Amino acid sequence: ENFLTQSPGTLSLSPGEEATLSCRASESVGRNNLAWYQHKPGQAPRLLIYGASSRASGIPDRFSGSGSGTDFTLTIRGLEPEDFAVYFCQQYTTSPFTFGPGTKVDLK
Amino acid sequence: QVQLQESGPGLVRPSETLSLICTVSGDSVSSISFYWGWIRQPPGKGLEWIGSLSSVGSPYVNPSLKSRVSISVDTSRNLFSLRLNSVTVADTALYYCARHGRGLRRPFDYWGQGALVTVSS
Repeated sequence: ENFLTQSPGTLSLSPGEEATLSCRASESVGRNNLAWYQHKPGQAPRLLIYGASSRASGIPDRFSGSGSGTDFTLTIRGLEPEDFAVYFCQQYTTSPFTFGPGTKVDLK
Repeated sequence: QVQLQESGPGLVRPSETLSLICTVSGDSVSSISFYWGWIRQPPGKGLEWIGSLSSVGSPYVNPSLKSRVSISVDTSRNLFSLRLNSVTVADTALYYCARHGRGLRRPFDYWGQGALVTVSS
């Protein structure tokens, strides 16, 4: 099983600042099949990034993903009020597909 | 727009079977291009993939749950379902249904809002 860890657990920032979130896999993620999701309480998770760096349909360009192998990063440039949420990563190459525990981006 | 909605009992007794349905609108579960999956999140814990299937072929299930999970698709009602038997309190979780993109090894591009299932006597 490919275990994913995320850091930090919580990121306290102000609107307009940049958020850098990390996702690390215990094994290399083949084909960089790594996704990032945004999750707000009571809502369905929202796909942001797939293939480590491709934005999903309708996702603003302030969201960007990078990385390969075992280390991946989600960057949110110029935080908007609606960006304060939990973000989690997922690898979808190797079954069982696994998720990271999430990083909470909250208001400083 | 694709929408998914989970439904089922919110309370299940220990040792009994948890049953959930995911109703799909805006897409057809018959499409051989897409896979449909179940994911859960116990309180205070991370997400766990339960299993996925398409309208053809066998389902793919997390080995940690394989002995207790059954996933099926009902093309006539455009839904898919989850059955988890012999539940314990550890199965208490928010259960999500979701659609993979075109293929099993694709991210989940549409999710339901989740259904809370509590296992308690």
